[in-house]
Amino acid sequence: QSALTQPRSVSGSPGQSVTISCTGTNSDVGGSNYVSWYQQHPGKAPKVMIHDVSKRPSGVPDRFSGSKSGSSASLTISGLQAEDEADYYCCSYAGSNTWVFGGGTKLTVL
Amino acid sequence: EVQLVETGGGSVRPGESLRLACLVSAVDFRDYWLHWVRQGPGKGLIWVAQINGDASSITYADSVRGRFTISRDNAKNTLFLQMSSLRAEDTGVYYCATDQGYRLHDWGQGTTVIVSS
Repeated sequence: QSALTQPRSVSGSPGQSVTISCTGTNSDVGGSNYVSWYQQHPGKAPKVMIHDVSKRPSGVPDRFSGSKSGSSASLTISGLQAEDEADYYCCSYAGSNTWVFGGGTKLTVL
Repeated sequence: EVQLVETGGGSVRPGESLRLACLVSAVDFRDYWLHWVRQGPGKGLIWVAQINGDASSITYADSVRGRFTISRDNAKNTLFLQMSSLRAEDTGVYYCATDQGYRLHDWGQGTTVIVSS
């Protein structure tokens, strides 16, 4: 149950696109179609932005997209907006009813 | 939308116990799989435990197995986390969350646990 690997921070200017990576193993990301991404603003609870690798829950802007290749998943945010500045966490089902989160990435909108 | 409210956090000494509760406003509570997730001060999210609708499937993170017990009372729409032999590294905000198909969909606001001598 080792944490998934994410970059500590990423940044971008308004209107630009950023991609956050999430690297795991064959036991989690590589072997699962259940990768999700969460946005967390300071002092707030996390909010699911992407589930099942690339699906957006109702109400999440289509600027947010997800993908996966092998044991790595990615979250891409296009058309960056100031309100996108937050911490982002990936999460993967790891089999046997266990889950594992990534270490988190701080997104700064310049 | 499902509402979740965690209670029971507090400040305890190492080795002591604490019981967290999470009240879930959902008519079909017994159908929900539920999770506990924690977040240390300034740190990332850590999955802690999961329980299915009738409590026949329960799993834990390695770091808490044998010390924490997840349970639920379907008659009272409440999820619990009994924490024993608490350590300093258990300090953090504890969130409960609903599982809607392998994603943690609805979250509570969290309750804070501090373990310190």
